[in-house]
Amino acid sequence: DTGVSQDPRHKITKRGQNVTFRCDPISEHNRLYWYRQTLGQGPEFLTYFQNEAQLEKSRLLSDRFSAERPKGSFSTLEIQRTEQGDSAMYLCASGGVAQYFGPGTRLTVT
Amino acid sequence: AQTVTQSQPEMSVQEAETVTLSCTYDTSESNYYLFWYKQPPSRQMILVIRQEAYKQQNATENRFSVNFQKAAKSFSLKISDSQLGDTAMYFCAFGSGTNAGKSTFGDGTTLTVKP
Repeated sequence: DTGVSQDPRHKITKRGQNVTFRCDPISEHNRLYWYRQTLGQGPEFLTYFQNEAQLEKSRLLSDRFSAERPKGSFSTLEIQRTEQGDSAMYLCASGGVAQYFGPGTRLTVT
Repeated sequence: AQTVTQSQPEMSVQEAETVTLSCTYDTSESNYYLFWYKQPPSRQMILVIRQEAYKQQNATENRFSVNFQKAAKSFSLKISDSQLGDTAMYFCAFGSGTNAGKSTFGDGTTLTVKP
């Protein structure tokens, strides 16, 4: 297994557009996590899945954000009507106690 | 809610020397995990070391060791024989015993190892 992968690695979009990111976790991991990291800060928890069930969402996850993990494998994170404040690195991780992080998707909203 | 504080935004160390990164946390839980993650420049985050709160013995992984002081809620990372490849941002993180993967991170310490 090659680890956690994320696509795209970089995304530049204009304010108001919708974007979708994909995360492919390590295949045997049931739990999948999304974090957001802004420059100079540590990652902040957004949401997590146990198999296909989304079990918790942070208050950071406004109604413009939606995440899915339809078959308990890969996951998508969609941001609708992007705002400049959404510019950040979006990290995906899988695992249990020990988490394995993907390389992240860097979003720039212009 | 848990908080994690890293009071040293930046540190530097000479190659082959030892450096200690500080971390304090606050929680009301008795069962939890603590982690140190490394994020090299433009590369993904990797787990360096973890500590279970119920274990009194400090965790070690090769050149990396921790000093876990549960009563003081302190969790420092010691890197021995520093190498140029240790240059990275280091994050301290707290994981609840019920869902350790949902971690609370500090704001990180940028470590530079100088030749």
